[in-house]
Order: sequence, then structure tokens, then C-alpha cells
Amino acid sequence: DGGITQSPKYLFRKEGQNVTLSCEQNLNHDAMYWYRQDPGQGLRLIYYSQIVNDFQKGDIAEGYSVSREKKESFPLTVTSAQKNPTAFYLCASSIGFAGTGTEAFFGQGTRLTVV
Amino acid sequence: AQSVTQPDIHITVSEGASLELRCNYSYGATPYLFWYVQSPGQGLQLLLKYFSGDTLVQGIKGFEAEFKRSQSSFNLRKPSVHWSDAAEYFCAVAPTSNQFYFGTGTSLTVIP
Repeated sequence: DGGITQSPKYLFRKEGQNVTLSCEQNLNHDAMYWYRQDPGQGLRLIYYSQIVNDFQKGDIAEGYSVSREKKESFPLTVTSAQKNPTAFYLCASSIGFAGTGTEAFFGQGTRLTVV
Repeated sequence: AQSVTQPDIHITVSEGASLELRCNYSYGATPYLFWYVQSPGQGLQLLLKYFSGDTLVQGIKGFEAEFKRSQSSFNLRKPSVHWSDAAEYFCAVAPTSNQFYFGTGTSLTVIP
């Protein structure tokens, strides 16, 4: 079945550590996105990518980094510079970039907790 | 500023009652419009979308939404709610840019 796979489902990080969240899609979509979800704040865009080897910052990119070396993969690294990383992280993809009439498909999310 | 507003943070309805969830947006032109549903600890699932044409859009699970250009609204409706509809609902827009913009969500509780 085609879809978006995020792993792990739960992740625990110690203070000062970097962690990487995985996102893989087999939908042959060009665009991929990372969102952060906090209670009462909806989804906030961290980074997005429209094509391999290219990505742009979203609204809350500070303390995060991404790469897009393959079309199907868009990993997110939460660095130690992110002061409040505990949140639910959602990866999404779309066949074309937003604004072309395509919808976003979402993974099941990764819950990151700082311990 | 561009925004998506869902004015109701939380709604409670009785099973079998009708439902309307509100969504307003502020963009210069009519964007593409979406409604998504999220169960606890899960990703978002698309309920329906509006691109152009008929302003009443049918979606999955018996949901429909009506686009009203004059009110910049895209309200979600269901004639008869089922207990399994309890979830969080997000309105989203995609203007002629590279991003999807999401509202803050409406949490739906269904009373037996």
C-alpha cells in the first residue's frame, strides 16, 4: 500500500541531544513537509521541500534541520538548539506543491518527549 | 495577514444530532480549501476538498462542506453525528503559494 511512514512512533530525548525523525513516502510525491503540533496551536510548518536537494524554512525552523537527498525521504533533525522540542511531529507529502490544487497526505506522527 | 480561523475550540453534540464546524479564511483570492480529521495520536485524514465549481462539496464519512465566497467561509456539516465522529477537525487552505495553512482545530465530543 502507498503511504507515508514515520518512525519511531515515540521518541525520548535527553537535554542537549540531537535526534532524527524519519519520514518515508512511496507515493512518488514531489513535495514533502514537516509540521509541529502542540495542543491548541494547530499545525505549524517547520520545513518543506518541493524537489530533491532543495528545501525551505517554514514558520518555526529555528532549532531544526532537514535533508532531501532522495525523493522518498525527508528526515527531520531536532537539534539541541530547539529549546522546547516536546511535541507531536507530522510529516506530509503532496504530489505537487501546495497551491496547485493538490492535497496533503499525512503520516501517523512521532511524539517526541524531552526527559 | 493571511490566516485560517476556526472559532470553536470545542464542540459537544449528541449522537444523531446535526453538526456544523466553522472555518473562515483571509486571503486575497479564493484558495484551495480542505477539511481534515485527526483521531488521538494519529495523523490527519482528508475529509473533503474544494478547488472550484459547485460550492457544496461532498466528502467521506457523510460529511459535506459549503464554500461561501462572500463570507470567506468553508463550514463543515454532517446531518447526523455518530459516536465514531469524535475527533479533532482541521480546516486548511492552500493559496497560490507553497504552503498549506491550518486552523487551530475544533475538538468534537459526541454524547451517547
